[in-house]
Amino acid sequence: GQNIDQPTEMTATEGAIVQINCTYQTSGFNGLFWYQQHAGEAPTFLSYNVLDGLEEKGRFSSFLSRSKGYSYLLLKELQMKDSASYLCAVEINDYKLSFGAGTTVTVRA
Amino acid sequence: DADVTQTPRNRITKTGKRIMLECSQTKGHDRMYWYRQDPGLGLRLIYYSFDVKDINKGEISDGYSVSRQAQAKFSLSLESAIPNQTALYFCATADSTDTQYFGPGTRLTVL
Repeated sequence: GQNIDQPTEMTATEGAIVQINCTYQTSGFNGLFWYQQHAGEAPTFLSYNVLDGLEEKGRFSSFLSRSKGYSYLLLKELQMKDSASYLCAVEINDYKLSFGAGTTVTVRA
Repeated sequence: DADVTQTPRNRITKTGKRIMLECSQTKGHDRMYWYRQDPGLGLRLIYYSFDVKDINKGEISDGYSVSRQAQAKFSLSLESAIPNQTALYFCATADSTDTQYFGPGTRLTVL
């Protein structure tokens, strides 16, 4: 089976930084995705990490350590529109994704 | 126009009814997926298809069936709906980088 853990909820202030951690123990590993999902909407792609290290994309960065089974998504300069769920997903074998339950981030003014 | 569309967007049905959820895509992707999403459980894979002749069960396929009518169309059926199949259902496609693109979802309620 697949085990992917991320915190259920996080709250932060507008303009601040929030780090969402994801740990995983899976039967296979080809890479790790982060998706953003606003309430009632479809998940949308944020980032993809295959190699260890940090990938930066504007206000969002994602980090991966394969040896530790660990990733984080860093959201900087938080805006109200960043209030959403953030889904960690491991690409296991056969082009399948296994998703964590998601972290709901609430940004307060 | 949306690249991945789902119909219907909302559906209320009764226990025992047969229901079909449809998914269409204009992205030209071979790989397509059906997920359900329940509060606190995240997205779980029901079925996936790598092309018209290749259909595979996901982790929770019991009670569901699928049909890949063409590269662009992938339908999910509930042969005899039950209340615990009440959920938000997403269709997705995947490109060559394995990035998945999701449709807007179908909210299904089984009474």
